[in-house]
Amino acid sequence: AQSVAQPEDQVNVAEGNPLTVKCTYSVSGNPYLFWYVQYPNRGLQFLLKYITGDNLVKGSYGFEAEFNKSQTSFHLKKPSALVSDSALYFCAVRDRGGSTLTFGKGTMLLVSP
Amino acid sequence: DAGVTQSPTHLIKTRGQQVTLRCSPKSGHDTVSWYQQALGQGPQFIFQYYEEEERQRGNFPDRFSGHQFPNYSSELNVNALLLGDSALYLCASSFEQYQETQYFGPGTRLLVL
Repeated sequence: AQSVAQPEDQVNVAEGNPLTVKCTYSVSGNPYLFWYVQYPNRGLQFLLKYITGDNLVKGSYGFEAEFNKSQTSFHLKKPSALVSDSALYFCAVRDRGGSTLTFGKGTMLLVSP
Repeated sequence: DAGVTQSPTHLIKTRGQQVTLRCSPKSGHDTVSWYQQALGQGPQFIFQYYEEEERQRGNFPDRFSGHQFPNYSSELNVNALLLGDSALYLCASSFEQYQETQYFGPGTRLLVL
């Protein structure tokens, strides 16, 4: 069975500083990996995905994520945080033979002015 | 280009009642997945529909059922509602052929009293 761990319930960062939201996964074979963001009372918005190729994936709103196969990690990063980045972030995995997403429990990102 | 739409946005029911939630996929998408997001949790996969058939199912009881119509829209039905069914129900659509990204709707907030 596939699983995702987001070890931090909350990440606090000051505006302008770099941010990292951590994600590790477990899946049979090579994974598809995703990051989604959820604003209050809203659905999930797709940020970026790793399918194959370059381990550094660039996505929407200046976010990027680094796939590390040996550490089974897919951490979300941004060089300079904005207050408007404050939201709930979900990492998800899908195995290549399947079609469903398994999500982590989410990490709340709070960016202070 | 319309994204994924869901109706209603909010719903209040009492225990034992039945509810039907609706989803229209993003234009060009043929696969619909349903997820349940309890408060403070990540989304949990309920089931997925493709070509009007339930293709995959998560760990949810038979009280949860669905349907996909020829125009790819979908319904989620829940019978004999329990208090624990209170959650945000998310619909996601994707294009099966390329195992593409799932795009989520805004969700339906169900409260069971």
